[in-house]
Amino acid sequence: QSALTQPASVSGSPGLSITISCTGTSSDVGSYNLVSWYQQHPGKAPKLMIYEVSKRPSGVSNRFSGSKSGNTASLTISGLQAEDEADYYCCSYAGSSTWVFGGGTKLTVL
Amino acid sequence: QLQLQESGPGLVKPSETLSLTCTVSGGSISSSRYYWGWIRQPPGKGLEWIGTIYYTGTTYYNPSLKSRVTISVETSNNQFSLKLTSVTAADTAVYYCARLDDSGLDAFDIWGQGTMVTVSS
Repeated sequence: QSALTQPASVSGSPGLSITISCTGTSSDVGSYNLVSWYQQHPGKAPKLMIYEVSKRPSGVSNRFSGSKSGNTASLTISGLQAEDEADYYCCSYAGSSTWVFGGGTKLTVL
Repeated sequence: QLQLQESGPGLVKPSETLSLTCTVSGGSISSSRYYWGWIRQPPGKGLEWIGTIYYTGTTYYNPSLKSRVTISVETSNNQFSLKLTSVTAADTAVYYCARLDDSGLDAFDIWGQGTMVTVSS
């Protein structure tokens, strides 16, 4: 069970959009529509932003969206705001009731 | 509103056993809809799933940690616990407990604030 692969960092200007990729294998991301995304501000616990690839929990801005193609899932944040600056982690079901996280991506809002 | 709170020693000696408890408040740990999990984050690094438990005691563990991990549940106290044996400096991390919504969101939707555990002599 290897960690999902995410870019170490991404950046974008306020008002624009960014996309964070999350690459797994045919044993996790590619096999299940059970990818979730978490936002983590420094010193805080992660917060669920996207579940089941593209669904948003109640209270999460519709500026956050998710998608998946093959073994790669993606998180897109549109209309970037300063408050979006944080670390983002993907997570996927990996079969046999196990879960695997990505290495995390640091988003910088320029 | 459901809340989770981790508790336990912040310092553990190498080769000893790390023990943490997560107390669930504002809801029952015995709900059939949810599993309960432990996730850790070494300083400056990413999240790692440790394992999850159902209120019946059924457990699932990360294969890389399975030989050293035990997760248990105490429904009467609305708590679940983590034990990690033979710790080394590599086990130094913030440990989070979280709720896994297995029948709805299929994600870890509620997290504790986390507790830092340092392995050092």
